[in-house]
Amino acid sequence: QKEVEQNSGPLSVPEGAIASLNCTYSDRGSQSFFWYRQYSGKSPELIMFIYSNGDKEDGRFTAQLNKASQYVSLLIRDSQPSDSATYLCAVNDAGKSTFGDGTTLTVKP
Amino acid sequence: NAGVTQTPKFQVLKTGQSMTLQCAQDMNHNSMYWYRQDPGMGLRLIYYSASEGTTDKGEVPNGYNVSRLNKREFSLRLESAAPSQTSVYFCAASYEQYFGPGTRLTVT
Repeated sequence: QKEVEQNSGPLSVPEGAIASLNCTYSDRGSQSFFWYRQYSGKSPELIMFIYSNGDKEDGRFTAQLNKASQYVSLLIRDSQPSDSATYLCAVNDAGKSTFGDGTTLTVKP
Repeated sequence: NAGVTQTPKFQVLKTGQSMTLQCAQDMNHNSMYWYRQDPGMGLRLIYYSASEGTTDKGEVPNGYNVSRLNKREFSLRLESAAPSQTSVYFCAASYEQYFGPGTRLTVT
């Protein structure tokens, strides 16, 4: 079983909708959680990180963490075509990050 | 302020050849990382360095060596390249992982 699982894609949403990206992890000792966006042919870029249970909002992005359920999600409100990319979830324990395989999001105009 | 830089951007090697991928950061972070990314997959950690003078193996270290030359620079060496090492290699700095632009390596 992979340590970090992301919902299989691709995910397609219309412009203006909410996109929901999900991630589960197996290591209960994981301490911090990251979401990255990767455009095709480019390097990953950090969108958000979250350490505590609950929600964390940054502009149109909201990260949600539930450590009891070992679940972290990313919501993108008012999705734009420029949000079309692959989103990578990463789980960090003791300074080492483990990445999921990513979910590809397409936002259709 | 370039952040994280990597050289070269592209490289083609023949099986058995060696090469070193260079990475440098200008953000004064202690930790640096090397990942590989194969098509349609996430990133797999090859080696990391928590601070200058220390290095540790990640998930897929076989066939690679690293050197943390100083706080700025962290290099990855392939001693005898194999076709299975064809991949995109990313260097990252900091706990939050700020990535360089990547090196696309093909081994024939």
